[in-house]
Amino acid sequence: RKEVEQDPGPFNVPEGATVAFNCTYSNSASQSFFWYRQDCRKEPKLLMSVYSSGNEDGRFTAQLNRASQYISLLIRDSKLSDSATYLCVVRGSSGDKLTFGTGTRLAVRP
Amino acid sequence: GAGVSQSPSNKVTEKGKDVELRCDPISGHTALYWYRQRLGQGLEFLIYFQGNSAPDKSGLPSDRFSAERTGESVSTLTIQRTQQEDSAVYLCASSLVAGAGTEAFFGQGTRLTVV
Repeated sequence: RKEVEQDPGPFNVPEGATVAFNCTYSNSASQSFFWYRQDCRKEPKLLMSVYSSGNEDGRFTAQLNRASQYISLLIRDSKLSDSATYLCVVRGSSGDKLTFGTGTRLAVRP
Repeated sequence: GAGVSQSPSNKVTEKGKDVELRCDPISGHTALYWYRQRLGQGLEFLIYFQGNSAPDKSGLPSDRFSAERTGESVSTLTIQRTQQEDSAVYLCASSLVAGAGTEAFFGQGTRLTVV
């Protein structure tokens, strides 16, 4: 089993749609969780950290389910500019390396 | 510096030549990562440096690949006897490892083309 697993997609959605991505991780002791965004031919950039109680940043909501070992990202009111690959990232404990999922591609159409 | 800096940004080399890629992490970041990303593929972990600990080399694909880091600063990734399958973007990232804000920050990558 991969340490971090994501559905590769692509997810094709119309503008204004709500879309959700899930990511599962294998290490139950993992402590830090992030979502990154990678645009075509660019480096990955942090979208948001994921906190135990869940957190929201504008149209983006991230949630953590420790019991089931998954994190989710919800994007509301999708924009064309949201088209990108979304990477799930997990760190085991302090000092451990970050482990990246292979990413989920999102394409938002007019 | 303000961000992670990688050089060169592009490198074209002939098959069989050695190449060196450089990464300058964010000042104060004890953790440094190297990743490889082939066209249309996900990030492939290569190596992880954390402070004075032995590096995690578990992702290096062959003994042609090696990396060094000087203290908590510059790192170089060396690929010996390059092959065409080594063509990819090589990304470096750095981070803190404890406390708030342990996310990784990436450089813009080195695009390596082996001809």
